[in-house]
Amino acid sequence: AQSVTQPDIHITVSEGASLELRCNYSYGATPYLFWYVQSPGQGLQLLLKYFSGDTLVQGIKGFEAEFKRSQSSFNLRKPSVHWSDAAEYFCAVANQAGTALIFGKGTTLSVSS
Amino acid sequence: DTGVSQNPRHKITKRGQNVTFRCDPISEHNRLYWYRQTLGQGPEFLTYFQNEAQLEKSRLLSDRFSAERPKGSFSTLEIQRTEQGDSAMYLCASSKAGTRMETQYFGPGTRLLVL
Repeated sequence: AQSVTQPDIHITVSEGASLELRCNYSYGATPYLFWYVQSPGQGLQLLLKYFSGDTLVQGIKGFEAEFKRSQSSFNLRKPSVHWSDAAEYFCAVANQAGTALIFGKGTTLSVSS
Repeated sequence: DTGVSQNPRHKITKRGQNVTFRCDPISEHNRLYWYRQTLGQGPEFLTYFQNEAQLEKSRLLSDRFSAERPKGSFSTLEIQRTEQGDSAMYLCASSKAGTRMETQYFGPGTRLLVL
């Protein structure tokens, strides 16, 4: 069965510093992978997605993610974090039928000044 | 495109009561999904509709839960005889069916507290 692991529950980064959030997935075939962000009281907003092709994916708000099949990873990166990036970040993989998303438990990002 | 909307945004109820939530998807989206998110966890899939047909249900969807999408537009999720363990955020998402996995767009959620 598919699964997603986000090893870091909580990360604190200084404003202006770089960020990397880790995501590992378990899936037999080529996965459909997503990163969503959730701010307090808000729904989930899609940051970026990987379906196929170029393994480096660009998203909104300056985020990017790299798909590495050999490591079963899809880590999210941002070169310079802004205070407004503080939120909860979820990595997800589509199920085999492509009808549902399987989410990790999320990583809470705090930004210090 | 006004996005996915959900009502109510918050609901407090007593154990044993029935509650109903509504989701209005993005207008041209024919797929609709319900997820549940408990504290400290990621969203978990509950069920999925294509037009008015409910095509998939998770084992999480106990007999006390029922979802409908009568005209293929808005959807309702009803929980009968609520239990404290039902306290969670209920998220609705919609997408437009295509030939591959489509992006799911999420609403703001309905937060349920069962006392």
